[in-house]
Amino acid sequence: KAGVTQTPRYLIKTRGQQVTLSCSPISGHRSVSWYQQTPGQGLQFLFEYFSETQRNKGNFPGRFSGRQFSNSRSEMNVSTLELGDSALYLCASSLSFPRSPQAFFGQGTRLTVV
Amino acid sequence: ELKVEQNPLFLSMQEGKNYTIYCNYSTTSDRLYWYRQDPGKSLESLFVLLSNGAVKQEGRLMASLDTKARLSTLHITAAVHDLSATYFCASLSFGNEKLTFGTGTRLTIIP
Repeated sequence: KAGVTQTPRYLIKTRGQQVTLSCSPISGHRSVSWYQQTPGQGLQFLFEYFSETQRNKGNFPGRFSGRQFSNSRSEMNVSTLELGDSALYLCASSLSFPRSPQAFFGQGTRLTVV
Repeated sequence: ELKVEQNPLFLSMQEGKNYTIYCNYSTTSDRLYWYRQDPGKSLESLFVLLSNGAVKQEGRLMASLDTKARLSTLHITAAVHDLSATYFCASLSFGNEKLTFGTGTRLTIIP
């Protein structure tokens, strides 16, 4: 059974640019959540999608957005990148996260903004 | 707003010793998760604790949940080097679909 796939794994962008990250959940999973991990702020919830609908959103500026497609694949977009957006972005897949017993995390996309 | 606190932040222990990581959360929680993260890697799910008094064990790790005290513990028995990693607890509050993570405990096992 394939795991959660995040692409790309590494990304270097310049301030002011925008970036799109992709997450393919485990087959049959309909919920995808996104988290940002930084040394200073730790793991912070960005948003969660279920059946193409955003159910929850964390405390991030509007520059951070996402969407989910009918095949449950999800993308997140960050516009007008800032140095502070440098982080490891993780997505989690579950049948209906987090109320399912278990969620599976992808390997993450490490974004560096210069 | 739900807050989750872990302690200690850093833990260096010798192989063969026992120790406990503590996870306190500020409001009533629906469930409690423990994850492991190796350097540069993703999060690996260890335990999901669903009810008061729940205890789960896997190898040298045992997790428990006391919802009245709003406390979960991760106990390490006879530590081995392979357990070196960062451990996170995360809580889910009622009526909320997002996990709130603790700060993490960086565990280093010294031979």
